[in-house]
Amino acid sequence: EVQLVESGGGLVQPGGSLRLSCAASGFTFSDHYMDWVRQAPGKGLEWVGRTRNKANSYTTEYAASVKGRFTISRDDSKNSLYLQMNSLKTEDTAVYYCARAYCSGGSCYSHYYGMDVWGQGTTVTVSS
Amino acid sequence: QSALTQPASVSGSPGQSITISCTGTSSDVGGYNYVSWYQQHPGKAPKLMIYEVSNRPSGVSNRFSGSKSGNTASLTISGLQAEDEADYYCSSYTSSSKGVFGTGTKVTVL
Repeated sequence: EVQLVESGGGLVQPGGSLRLSCAASGFTFSDHYMDWVRQAPGKGLEWVGRTRNKANSYTTEYAASVKGRFTISRDDSKNSLYLQMNSLKTEDTAVYYCARAYCSGGSCYSHYYGMDVWGQGTTVTVSS
Repeated sequence: QSALTQPASVSGSPGQSITISCTGTSSDVGGYNYVSWYQQHPGKAPKLMIYEVSNRPSGVSNRFSGSKSGNTASLTISGLQAEDEADYYCSSYTSSSKGVFGTGTKVTVL
């Protein structure tokens, strides 16, 4: 079964750090771009960032709201995706989803084809 | 990168067709044929419904269709059913390669 499972969410004080993990199974993880998307309580979806695959040098992109504070990484040997969040702010409170890029024409690029597999989400609450 | 603009809500009766718009700029929606649409039920993860403006992933009902004209993309749901009641989000490739979602549309089946 194709699956993504996030973990690592919780309550953290402003200025603190948290590391989210996303465990993938049931597909060739290394082929896919992987994204993080978040959703604040009662709000819409917000793209957080992306890591490309090995063929594209594992380069990353970030939303302006998190650039310099968040770092996305992946370990293809462990089929895992990570989101290191530093200098957390109250406005970072949200459900965080990891998502797999959809494949079309043999390429699995999220910025072209969207994301077809999502985790269940992990909740991050930033509050004092 | 500003969020793409969607109507806050759209409603229709069972069996009717509705259309949700998604307006961007020439740097995103208007410049590329890489628009995706997602359906999200309350408390659930989003589901990919359309990619590359008008393509449906395997398993998505053909009642869902997508199109684009200029800087505006559209999602049409035909033969509206109770299970279609959900939030819908568009997304587009951008010239900066960063991601962007629409503001979201709540679909209500009357």
